[in-house]
Formats: sequence, C-alpha cells, structure tokens
Amino acid sequence: DVKVTQSSRYLVKRTGEKVFLECVQDMDHENMFWYRQDPGLGLRLIYFSYDVKMKEKGDIPEGYSVSREKKERFSLILESASTNQTSMYLCASSLSKRGTDTQYFGPGTRLTVL
Amino acid sequence: DQQVKQNSPSLSVQEGRISILNCDYTNSMFDYFLWYKKYPAEGPTFLISISSIKDKNEDGRFTVFLNKSAKHLSLHIVPSQPGDSAVYFCAASARNYGQNFVFGPGTRLSVLP
Repeated sequence: DVKVTQSSRYLVKRTGEKVFLECVQDMDHENMFWYRQDPGLGLRLIYFSYDVKMKEKGDIPEGYSVSREKKERFSLILESASTNQTSMYLCASSLSKRGTDTQYFGPGTRLTVL
Repeated sequence: DQQVKQNSPSLSVQEGRISILNCDYTNSMFDYFLWYKKYPAEGPTFLISISSIKDKNEDGRFTVFLNKSAKHLSLHIVPSQPGDSAVYFCAASARNYGQNFVFGPGTRLSVLP
C-alpha cells in the first residue's frame, strides 16, 4: 500500500517567512509532484521531479522552489511567503513516467500566510 | 483558460439513485482521462480511468463514458451511497507527454440519505 506523508497538516506563517513543506513516499516511486488546490481552480501543478536532484517547472512555479536530494523525499520551498500563497498544498508520487501510471496523493498541508 | 472543465460545482442526489458527473476538455491531444475522489482533510484518491481507444470503462458501481468527438466524459455512480459524498476531480493527460495531468476544478457530490 502506497503511503505519501506530508510533514504538517496545518501551518500558519507570516508574510516574508521562508517556508518548507516536506513530502515523503515509501514505495520507491520515481516521480514526485507538488500541487496547490484552490476553490474553483482544482489542482494546479507547481513543480515535479522524475529523478533525484532533478526538477521541472509545472504550470505555476513562480514564488516556489523545490529540492529532491533523496528519492523518497521532495521538498517545496516558499522563499518569502506571501498572502496569495495561502492554499492547500498536495504532494503526490507515481511509479514511472508512463502517462497511465496512477498518482498517489498525501493528505495535504493547509498553509495560511498572514 | 482551463483545459479541463467541470461546469457543475456541486450536485445533490438521493441515496440509491444515479449520480452523473460531467467533464469537458479542450485539448485534442489528451488521450487518457482519470477521475479522482477527495474527502475533506484527505488527499485525492484514484477512482477510475479511461483511454481514448475506449468509450466506456466500468468498475463496480462506477462507469466512465468518453465521447471523443464532443470532448466530453462523464462519471456515473449507480447506486449512489452516502459514502460517495466527496469532491470529484476529472483529470486528463497526453500519454506521450508523461505524467503531466491537468485537473478540473472539481464537483462536490452530496448523496442524501
């Protein structure tokens, strides 16, 4: 059974703070993803990674960076948090690059930036 | 401009009846479609998928229909149960482009006892 865990369920930060969101998967999946979910907009892809130390921009990468130093761990970094980054952040992983592979999601981190 | 649209933000259905959730897409390169289900405080979970070479895929109470000419797909749940109450996301991808799924905004289904 695939398990994707995220370091925090709820997080409150102040404008300008540096924020780290951590994600760990335990199924030796190659791919990892960061999405944000906002009402009326669905899930939007921020960054993804197909391999260790590799990253690719998704649809909305501005204001974010990522790090993948180990295969099982994918971190999302907000260098200087802003109020428009208040959102639900979802991490996902999948086995391979095949377009039909299922993405498995973590429970999400609800981030509030004051 | 959303490439995957779910025009009904919410839907209410009586227990035991059929739920029909709709999804439209604009990109003709999409050839693989998925439905995910999301409960509050949980991540989305995969429900069912369909490839563009098919027009129907069934898994228990869940059936997905694909109309390629109309760029439309629908998820049918029969019979609906209270435990089906959740947000349903439609997603699409072009398989040659790997894992880049495009998600719709979601439809909140409420199944009333």
